[in-house]
Amino acid sequence: DVKVTQSSRYLVKRTGEKVFLECVQDMDHENMFWYRQDPGLGLRLIYFSYDVKMKEKGDIPEGYSVSREKKERFSLILESASTNQTSMYLCASLAAAGNTIYFGEGSWLTVV
Amino acid sequence: GENVEQHPSTLSVQEGDSAVIKCTYSDSASNYFPWYKQELGKRPQLIIDIRSNVGEKKDQRIAVTLNKTAKHFSLHITETQPEDSAVYFCAASRRFGNEKLTFGTGTRLTIIP
Repeated sequence: DVKVTQSSRYLVKRTGEKVFLECVQDMDHENMFWYRQDPGLGLRLIYFSYDVKMKEKGDIPEGYSVSREKKERFSLILESASTNQTSMYLCASLAAAGNTIYFGEGSWLTVV
Repeated sequence: GENVEQHPSTLSVQEGDSAVIKCTYSDSASNYFPWYKQELGKRPQLIIDIRSNVGEKKDQRIAVTLNKTAKHFSLHITETQPEDSAVYFCAASRRFGNEKLTFGTGTRLTIIP
């Protein structure tokens, strides 16, 4: 069974803080994704990565960066958190030849 | 890029009745259309998907239809049960190639006992 683990479920950070959201998958998937989920807006893609050290911007990359130093780990970084980044963040992974995207449990981030 | 619109945003259905959720997409090159179900506080999970070479796919009480010409696809749930209450997301992507999934805005389905 594929497991996508987001280490932090609930975080409260102050405006201007640097925030790291970590995601690990255990199925050797090539592709990994970061989405944010907001009411009425669905899931919007922030960044994705199709290989180690590779990354591509999604639809809303502004204010975010990512890191993929190892295949199993994909980190989302908020360099200077702002209140409009309060949201639920979902990590996901997908095998290169696979069909199904598997999601993590989500990380609820509140920026005050 | 791809744009996916989903309707309705909320849907209440009497238990035992059918529910239909509709999505349209803009990119004619999209060829893979999954549906995800997200229960309260849980992760989205794939419930059914369809490729562009198929017009309809069924899995027990769930079916998905695809009209490539009109660029829309729909989720049909028959004989609804309380456990069907959740938020449902449609999505579209070009498989295999650009793996990016574009999601609809979601439909909150409530089954009334």
